[in-house]
Amino acid sequence: GENVEQHPSTLSVQEGDSAVIKCTYSDSASNYFPWYKQELGKGPQLIIDIRSNVGEKKDQRIAVTLNKTAKHFSLHITETQPEDSAVYFCAALDGNNRLAFGKGNQVVVIP
Amino acid sequence: NAGVTQTPKFQVLKTGQSMTLQCAQDMNHEYMSWYRQDPGMGLRLIHYSVGAGITDQGEVPNGYNVSRSTTEDFPLRLLSAAPSQTSVYFCASSYRYRGAGNTIYFGEGSWLTVV
Repeated sequence: GENVEQHPSTLSVQEGDSAVIKCTYSDSASNYFPWYKQELGKGPQLIIDIRSNVGEKKDQRIAVTLNKTAKHFSLHITETQPEDSAVYFCAALDGNNRLAFGKGNQVVVIP
Repeated sequence: NAGVTQTPKFQVLKTGQSMTLQCAQDMNHEYMSWYRQDPGMGLRLIHYSVGAGITDQGEVPNGYNVSRSTTEDFPLRLLSAAPSQTSVYFCASSYRYRGAGNTIYFGEGSWLTVV
């Protein structure tokens, strides 16, 4: 099955700086890559996603890039704010339509 | 529109006890699933259902049962609780089972401790 890995496990950034989280996947048939944000005590919430026929997608301060050849995709958060502090999960929908999640990244924005 | 509702929010069980985590969605979603979240392990799929009357096993199904008698409800039963089942449980649903761009909505989670 699909194996999704996230790096780094913890990321600390100064408020206003950019944060980048990278995920790698193993199944070349994977065609959909969502990112979820989980705030303390809450369930994960979808923040952005990308399909395999697109290389980049932006939504205000958040962007996701996909490199199918290298089998990795990244979440970019610009002008970080304290409310961006959370755990971020990447996921990949594999060839069997199973959504495999990474283990999560803790992002800490330092005011 | 409440989305995905889970109960209870917190529960402490003794080893060997049984209990049911309730999950309901009001979005007429076809697909429902249960995940558990453990430190350093991410989200792992326990069981899922692609429609009323249909259930299947996920990655870590042992010790859990599910049923889907209606589109709205998908309860998770712990048959004989073990300390290894101490975890945070999330119910999730989506409109369709297959296809890219199929947004999954998660509940708020149920914190379960087995002593």
